[in-house]
Amino acid sequence: LAKTTQPISMDSYEGQEVNITCSHNNIATNDYITWYQQFPSQGPRFIIQGYKTKVTNEVASLFIPADRKSSTLSLPRVSLSDTAVYYCLVGPILTGGGNKLTFGTGTQLKVEL
Amino acid sequence: EAGVTQFPSHSVIEKGQTVTLRCDPISGHDNLYWYRRVMGKEIKFLLHFVKESKQDESGMPNNRFLAERTGGTYSTLKVQPAELEDSGVYFCASSAGRGALSGYTFGSGTRLTVV
Repeated sequence: LAKTTQPISMDSYEGQEVNITCSHNNIATNDYITWYQQFPSQGPRFIIQGYKTKVTNEVASLFIPADRKSSTLSLPRVSLSDTAVYYCLVGPILTGGGNKLTFGTGTQLKVEL
Repeated sequence: EAGVTQFPSHSVIEKGQTVTLRCDPISGHDNLYWYRRVMGKEIKFLLHFVKESKQDESGMPNNRFLAERTGGTYSTLKVQPAELEDSGVYFCASSAGRGALSGYTFGSGTRLTVV
């Protein structure tokens, strides 16, 4: 599975747009990029997934450049409740063998008033 | 739809004792996974069940850990005897399909403290 690198932490204020970038230089052709969010005392929760270009849902947008060696999770107008750890994961949609999710260190986002 | 349920939410035990963690997956999810995060480290895969069968247990740290999923419904993870380094948060996740990275639903975890 491709290794991912993301900032350890980020700070923001309510109402701002937050962009968290993840590097995955060794991404394979059949790999997808998936982001999970984890609040304190809870398990990780899926928020968005993409393969290339841009994906948007009600929670976030995911921007993936043509070379796919990085991706950016964009959270519009964050609020205090967006304070969480955000994980970038890279791997195939279908795996013949193991189905492990490989979590990196994640990015601790702290949103303040 | 009920989510993935884990209990207890917290457990404090002494070194050498036995602890059993339980996970109830989403009904109908054949795939059940155990993960854990020890203090200061990343979340790591422990094992994967497909129904009642162990599909992959490559992440199990040693033979003090025993996971079961009798009947293909809930699963238990027993640690016997517990050691100090077993302290951490144990997460369970379930999914309907095998490989979709988006399809996992995690429980809130069991925080295990071994003293």
